[in-house]
Amino acid sequence: DIQMTQSPSSLSASVGDRVTITCRASQSISSYLNWYQQKPGKAPKLLIYAASSLQSGVPSRFSGSGSGTDFTLTISSLQPEDFATYYCQQSYSTSVSFGQGTKVEIK
Amino acid sequence: EVQLVESGGGLVQPGRSLRLSCTASGFTFGDYAMSWVRQAPGKGLEWVGFIRSKAYGGTTEYAASVKGRFTISRDDSKSIAYLQMNSLKTEDTAVYYCTRGEDSSVGSPPNWFDPWGQGTLVTVSS
Repeated sequence: DIQMTQSPSSLSASVGDRVTITCRASQSISSYLNWYQQKPGKAPKLLIYAASSLQSGVPSRFSGSGSGTDFTLTISSLQPEDFATYYCQQSYSTSVSFGQGTKVEIK
Repeated sequence: EVQLVESGGGLVQPGRSLRLSCTASGFTFGDYAMSWVRQAPGKGLEWVGFIRSKAYGGTTEYAASVKGRFTISRDDSKSIAYLQMNSLKTEDTAVYYCTRGEDSSVGSPPNWFDPWGQGTLVTVSS
């Protein structure tokens, strides 16, 4: 099975900061990598699919990059509503897997 | 509006069974894969399994932790996906989310999961 490892597990940043979350796969997954945002008590929401494509309706301050084993989710200017936990997910293998999550707290 | 609504959660004793339903609206249900993802209290997301659309074989895949105990099925005429859970364990306690997946190719998992239902809580306890 493919293991997905996110770093950091949590971070604290100020409004307006540039935030970067990384996700590493235990083997190459090409660009079969998606990012989700989950706010407390809510269902996850798709942000980025196929490593770098922005889902419709998602603010342009969110972007994704990477291929192979290393991927990045960037929030260019953190907003108060971005307080959430972010998960990466690989869709390369039929045994789908998620990263453990990165909790973003607003300073 | 695309909508997914889960139902059927509740309190169940270890070893017993429970069936969850996911009722879809706002899209052509039969054109999509359907997946279940769970989240134990205070924990991260864990993929449970998915069922492909009939155009891609209608086949199923499961996580190792539930294989042989859980079964996913679908009724395209009613736009409902099911998760039959047998031999439940305390570690199956979680919020169970239903989510739509876009089939990519035969034998492959859905490309991504969007949207998600609001979730239904399953508590396995004596």
